[in-house]
Amino acid sequence: AQSVTQLDSHVSVSEGTPVLLRCNYSSSYSPSLFWYVQHPNKGLQLLLKYTSAATLVKGINGFEAEFKKSETSFHLTKPSAHMSDAAEYFCVVSERGFQKLVFGTGTRLLVSP
Amino acid sequence: DAGVTQSPTHLIKTRGQQVTLRCSPISGHKSVSWYQQVLGQGPQFIFQYYEKEERGRGNFPDRFSARQFPNYSSELNVNALLLGDSALYLCASSPRDGNQPQHFGDGTRLSIL
Repeated sequence: AQSVTQLDSHVSVSEGTPVLLRCNYSSSYSPSLFWYVQHPNKGLQLLLKYTSAATLVKGINGFEAEFKKSETSFHLTKPSAHMSDAAEYFCVVSERGFQKLVFGTGTRLLVSP
Repeated sequence: DAGVTQSPTHLIKTRGQQVTLRCSPISGHKSVSWYQQVLGQGPQFIFQYYEKEERGRGNFPDRFSARQFPNYSSELNVNALLLGDSALYLCASSPRDGNQPQHFGDGTRLSIL
């Protein structure tokens, strides 16, 4: 069975400082991994995806994530936080070839001026 | 182009009633998936439909059912509503089956009194 663990329920940063949101995954098969963002009262927006190509994946709005098989991790980073980045972030895994997404419990990113 | 559209945006029901939620995928998308997001948690997979056939089902009771129409729109039905069914119901679409990034609508907020 697949699962993801998001290691922090809340992360607080100051505007202009780096962002690190941590995610570990468990999968019996070669996984596909995603990060989604959810702003209040909104649906989910895809930030980036890993599907077995380059291990460093670049996404939208300056976010990127690195797939590390040896550590079973897929951490999300951004060099400089912006106020508009404040939202809920979900790490997601799916079994290659299947549509079912398995979500983590989410990390709320708070950005202060 | 329009994104995934869901209706209604908000709905209030009482215990024991039945509800139907609707989803229109992005034009050209043939796969539709449904997720339930309880407050403070990540979304949980309910169903996936592709070309009008059920391709996946999550761990939900038989009170939950869905279907997909020839125009690829979809309905999610929930019978005998319980207080625990209160949640944000999200619909996602993708062009094909298999490992495709999914595009989410803004959801239907269902409240059970």
